[in-house]
Amino acid sequence: QKEVEQNSGPLSVPEGAIASLNCTYSDRGSQSFFWYRQYSGKSPELIMFIYSNGDKEDGRFTAQLNKASQYVSLLIRDSQPSDSATYLCAVRSTGFQKLVFGTGTRLLVSP
Amino acid sequence: DTGVSQDPRHKITKRGQNVTFRCDPISEHNRLYWYRQTLGQGPEFLTYFQNEAQLEKSRLLSDRFSAERPKGSFSTLEIQRTEQGDSAMYLCASSWPEGSTSYEQYFGPGTRLTVT
Repeated sequence: QKEVEQNSGPLSVPEGAIASLNCTYSDRGSQSFFWYRQYSGKSPELIMFIYSNGDKEDGRFTAQLNKASQYVSLLIRDSQPSDSATYLCAVRSTGFQKLVFGTGTRLLVSP
Repeated sequence: DTGVSQDPRHKITKRGQNVTFRCDPISEHNRLYWYRQTLGQGPEFLTYFQNEAQLEKSRLLSDRFSAERPKGSFSTLEIQRTEQGDSAMYLCASSWPEGSTSYEQYFGPGTRLTVT
């Protein structure tokens, strides 16, 4: 079982729709959760982080965390073609500084 | 620009040669990380520094890889006797000091290594 799992996609949504990206993790000691956006050929860009159960909203982005289910998600409202990228979920476990990444979900937003 | 910087951005080398990459973190950050990313995969952790101390090291970091951060500012990652399997994007990230409640890591633009 991979430590952090994501559906590789592509996830295709029309412009203006809500994109829902999901991530599960195996380590119950995980404490910090991050979503990075990565355009092709570029480095990852941090877009959201969440440390407590529940929802966290920032502009068009909402991160949701359920530690009991070991599940974290990212919602992108009013999706734009410029949101088309790979979204990486990353997890940090207690006692460690390293991030463990999933393989990413490719999002395609069509005009 | 106050973000993480990396140099060079691209490196093409022949198998067997040594290469060295440099990373300059965000100035207020004393934690520095190296990751490696291959096509279709997420970044894989290589090593972590807090100031000049190397505190975490992945099993991926074979004997041919060495990282340093001698003065607790910039860091270098050296790969000796490069192999074709070393071809990847090498990413550096930095984060806030210990005691901060923030654990976010910010990445530099990466160094793309091609071994021919």
